[in-house]
Amino acid sequence: DTEVTQTPKHLVMGMTNKKSLKCEQHMGHRAMYWYKQKAKKPPELMFVYSYEKLSINESVPSRFSPECPNSSLLNLHLHALQPEDSALYLCASSQPSSGRAVDEQYFGPGTRLTVT
Amino acid sequence: DQQVKQNSPSLSVQEGRISILNCDYTNSMFDYFLWYKKYPAEGPTFLISISSIKDKNEDGRFTVFLNKSAKHLSLHIVPSQPGDSAVYFCAATGSSNTGKLIFGQGTTLQVKP
Repeated sequence: DTEVTQTPKHLVMGMTNKKSLKCEQHMGHRAMYWYKQKAKKPPELMFVYSYEKLSINESVPSRFSPECPNSSLLNLHLHALQPEDSALYLCASSQPSSGRAVDEQYFGPGTRLTVT
Repeated sequence: DQQVKQNSPSLSVQEGRISILNCDYTNSMFDYFLWYKKYPAEGPTFLISISSIKDKNEDGRFTVFLNKSAKHLSLHIVPSQPGDSAVYFCAATGSSNTGKLIFGQGTTLQVKP
């Protein structure tokens, strides 16, 4: 099973709402990632969890709050977002080897978020 | 500062011919490079990778070439098929073990039947 699943596929939320994006993988990977992708742009890294610990936060605003409840799950909690936060949010996972957290990352299909 | 660059936004190739996608990088600390393919409304799919200790890696129709002195890599697809039509991203990372992939801007490949 080389699948990373993400829910929901689409999400429309107002600027005062609180919502969460969910990501799950059952490949035994111990590194998980959140990316943001705008149209016609490459994915931009937001957060990296390695062995369930936050190892990278790319100076993401606090209205985005990641959570890694266990080695298979990754959440992204959203609160008080702005319209410019509308984007495709991608989750990825990889198996760290020799201390490297990167190697080949497997991506989920993404959640298309629209903030109104 | 764009550390990974794909200077061709798009490429059109006839079915059966070779597709060559190019990628340049500026950071000499990068030591691992990956290519991803992305269809609309899907997440990127890992295609092939290459370590800086190699200059070529082949997997079926896909071959990646690395020229470290020129800080350049390329992805060759032979023969190209209409199903290869997608956006291709080049990505790079360094040995800092931080787990950070730096992506290029992507090249949209269209393979015409």
